[in-house]
Amino acid sequence: ETGVTQTPRHLVMGMTNKKSLKCEQHLGHNAMYWYKQSAKKPLELMFVYSLEERVENNSVPSRFSPECPNSSHLFLHLHTLQPEDSALYLCASSPSGPVTGELFFGEGSRLTVL
Amino acid sequence: GENVEQHPSTLSVQEGDSAVIKCTYSDSASNYFPWYKQELGKRPQLIIDIRSNVGEKKDQRIAVTLNKTAKHFSLHITETQPEDSAVYFCAASSTGTASKLTFGTGTRLQVTL
Repeated sequence: ETGVTQTPRHLVMGMTNKKSLKCEQHLGHNAMYWYKQSAKKPLELMFVYSLEERVENNSVPSRFSPECPNSSHLFLHLHTLQPEDSALYLCASSPSGPVTGELFFGEGSRLTVL
Repeated sequence: GENVEQHPSTLSVQEGDSAVIKCTYSDSASNYFPWYKQELGKRPQLIIDIRSNVGEKKDQRIAVTLNKTAKHFSLHITETQPEDSAVYFCAASSTGTASKLTFGTGTRLQVTL
């Protein structure tokens, strides 16, 4: 499989649950990103990893915890979320670290927090 | 930090007409301006980008213009087709890299027959 794949595509969780979102890229890229997409809001950058090292953390609450075990995989661990965290979470990758401009997105994980 | 404003939020045009989406940015150091298209239920995809050393760039029916003095840039789609219906996002970066992109709020374009 090619491109950026995200699982699960849909997730419903209670405020006390713990779940994880997974992202995998088959493009040989060295940088990976988590974005949050909410209705009528700009895409919000959450985390950036370059060569498996976190290089950006945009004041994201600690209930979101990223993990990048290697350059092809990125996780977002979720715990004790709030209803306002319901959104589409997009993973993306880019080539050669955060140097070139183009982002390659996955199709997203639609999260609903009850 | 950078702030990107995008207008209009929705745009409806008839097939064959042109569509224009405008964005303004606040950081005069911004030097990279991509446009992403997101079809319903699909992933955002880069459709065109421009760097600050260029005033205009074209790719078939789409073009982007940049006015550095006024700090605004626009997406122009000519001869619109139904498959152009999507949400379009502009973005700006002060480093020319993906890690510092600030996105606009998006424009929902509807091309009617």
